[in-house]
Amino acid sequence: DAMVIQNPRYQVTQFGKPVTLSCSQTLNHNVMYWYQQKSSQAPKLLFHYYDKDFNNEADTPDNFQSRRPNTSFCFLDIRSPGLGDAAMYLCATSGLTSNQPQHFGDGTRLSIL
Amino acid sequence: GQSLEQPSEVTAVEGAIVQINCTYQTSGFYGLSWYQQHDGGAPTFLSYNALDGLEETGRFSSFLSRSDSYGYLLLQELQMKDSASYFCAVDEYIFGTGTRLKVLA
Repeated sequence: DAMVIQNPRYQVTQFGKPVTLSCSQTLNHNVMYWYQQKSSQAPKLLFHYYDKDFNNEADTPDNFQSRRPNTSFCFLDIRSPGLGDAAMYLCATSGLTSNQPQHFGDGTRLSIL
Repeated sequence: GQSLEQPSEVTAVEGAIVQINCTYQTSGFYGLSWYQQHDGGAPTFLSYNALDGLEETGRFSSFLSRSDSYGYLLLQELQMKDSASYFCAVDEYIFGTGTRLKVLA
């Protein structure tokens, strides 16, 4: 059973057209993460939430925003996607303690036309 | 800043043992994790070291030496399905550069 679910699996949008990616979890984990991963690169953290406490990485572009309306759901909004934003976007969850592994969703592959 | 360096690619044959190294520069962290990622798939957790020494989980073992700023993942009895990318990570969300492992028949 999928525990971290990302929809859609593939998303195509037009240059400059806002897009929202969604993530839900059935693990009741406090912490949720959004990563961007480009081909042959490591996942790069964009945001993370400790419960509703939002943490923005310093080099995350302003074009990216996130919402977490409740424990189960988290959204990634890209306000004006550029060609450089084409990537795999990964959502992950973990418990609060430092030794808790992350559980990743299958990701959403975003293409920009 | 924090950085974790890994070899970009490692090749080994089925049945062999391979070690993937991770050297890091970071001011402090709780633990070192390892993740496996197949092409097109999501990272999956393999192992975690909070303390120095060796942690063994089946065919996979992981080692940490904080004094040497160094860790490694050891894969034994390699199988074709082990062909994937492997990432070390500190504090769960700072990932290393990644190592692509190719297992040959």
